[in-house]
Amino acid sequence: ETGVTQTPRHLVMGMTNKKSLKCEQHLGHNAMYWYKQSAKKPLELMFVYSLEERVENNSVPSRFSPECPNSSHLFLHLHTLQPEDSALYLCASSQDPYRDSGDTQYFGPGTRLTVL
Amino acid sequence: RKEVEQDPGPFNVPEGATVAFNCTYSNSASQSFFWYRQDCRKEPKLLMSVYSSGNEDGRFTAQLNRASQYISLLIRDSKLSDSATYLCVVTAEYNTDKLIFGTGTRLQVFP
Repeated sequence: ETGVTQTPRHLVMGMTNKKSLKCEQHLGHNAMYWYKQSAKKPLELMFVYSLEERVENNSVPSRFSPECPNSSHLFLHLHTLQPEDSALYLCASSQDPYRDSGDTQYFGPGTRLTVL
Repeated sequence: RKEVEQDPGPFNVPEGATVAFNCTYSNSASQSFFWYRQDCRKEPKLLMSVYSSGNEDGRFTAQLNRASQYISLLIRDSKLSDSATYLCVVTAEYNTDKLIFGTGTRLQVFP
């Protein structure tokens, strides 16, 4: 158990639906991340939050809207998605993103999203 | 050129074999390097960090060659439980909270 939980684990939605993905970390970390994992593609970083402030947005379409109400919770709000958005969405957290050396990220189990 | 390149495999090896994975990265300013393991339909988990001096953890040995921008992972005495996808990961230039993942190399160990 990595200490990072995600709900739901599976989600099927239509293109007109609005849904939210939830991530919670129980590790006392300061940074949280959303990644997208599509088949046969490298893991793609979507958003980074450090101390509840968004520090990176990797040119993600506006139909994905992140929210970080506190350092333990991260949401990804979804609306008017496309079938090509079907993927595994992974949340991760790390202790201190401003360390000089790379900071270990701990991943949640992911939400497998299917857009019909 | 991809930022992190790996041979996707699959590598099919018998139990007890030694197998090596290679990875190249394009950004010479990358500061930190890792190998992650991802089991089928599971999240990636850190296997080990990679240091210039090389490091070993049991049956696993990682090497980094900064001059060639090349990272390797050696697995000795393969076990069935080693079957997974191995992801090469580097940090982006001057931004150590951004990890760049390769597509992964799939390993299948058979009896």
